[in-house]
Amino acid sequence: GAVVSQHPSRVICKSGTSVKIECRSLDFQATTMFWYRQFPKQSLMLMATSNEGSKATYEQGVEKDKFLINHASLTLSTLTVTSAHPEDSSFYICSAFRGDNNEQFFGPGTRLTVL
Amino acid sequence: RKEVEQDPGPFNVPEGATVAFNCTYSNSASQSFFWYRQDCRKEPKLLMSVYSSGNEDGRFTAQLNRASQYISLLIRDSKLSDSATYLCVVKGYQGGKLIFGQGTELSVKP
Repeated sequence: GAVVSQHPSRVICKSGTSVKIECRSLDFQATTMFWYRQFPKQSLMLMATSNEGSKATYEQGVEKDKFLINHASLTLSTLTVTSAHPEDSSFYICSAFRGDNNEQFFGPGTRLTVL
Repeated sequence: RKEVEQDPGPFNVPEGATVAFNCTYSNSASQSFFWYRQDCRKEPKLLMSVYSSGNEDGRFTAQLNRASQYISLLIRDSKLSDSATYLCVVKGYQGGKLIFGQGTELSVKP
């Protein structure tokens, strides 16, 4: 199956710093990528839809100025958590939509811990 | 009301047991339906798509009832390796966002 990578897989940072997470589709072009967040014992919650070459669409309650999304190419989307705080500690997962088989492929996730 | 609702479990069953998971969704316009499996601290992986005619993949059988907005997953002859969280997922349109249920945790014991 198609491969989606995320980097880094794990990050620990101090409160107030910014963290960038990269999501790459390795063997297909993805015009649409999605960013999810998952807290312990909870399900995945969609944060935003990222479209190549245009602004991301954020879900209700997600601060667009705090979670900056850039989808500059057909194989790369980035999520930057700005001024991270302990409550932002979570498992962040991206997915890339492959149009030719109408399937989404998930990255392995990034575990963020903010001290 | 949540868009996709599942019994969170956990379901604790012995090896060889048959276990059934249920799921309901609120948006009647939903067009695609899936079951995903998520292992601890990993990303979700597609288990199977769900169709109105029902579909089977080995020990796994999925059913969709559009009139009742109800989705089910049946696992027969449970294996230890089936232990995971099973996520019910719906999608509204091609390329559209996936809406996840909260997941049902399954633990298969020897």
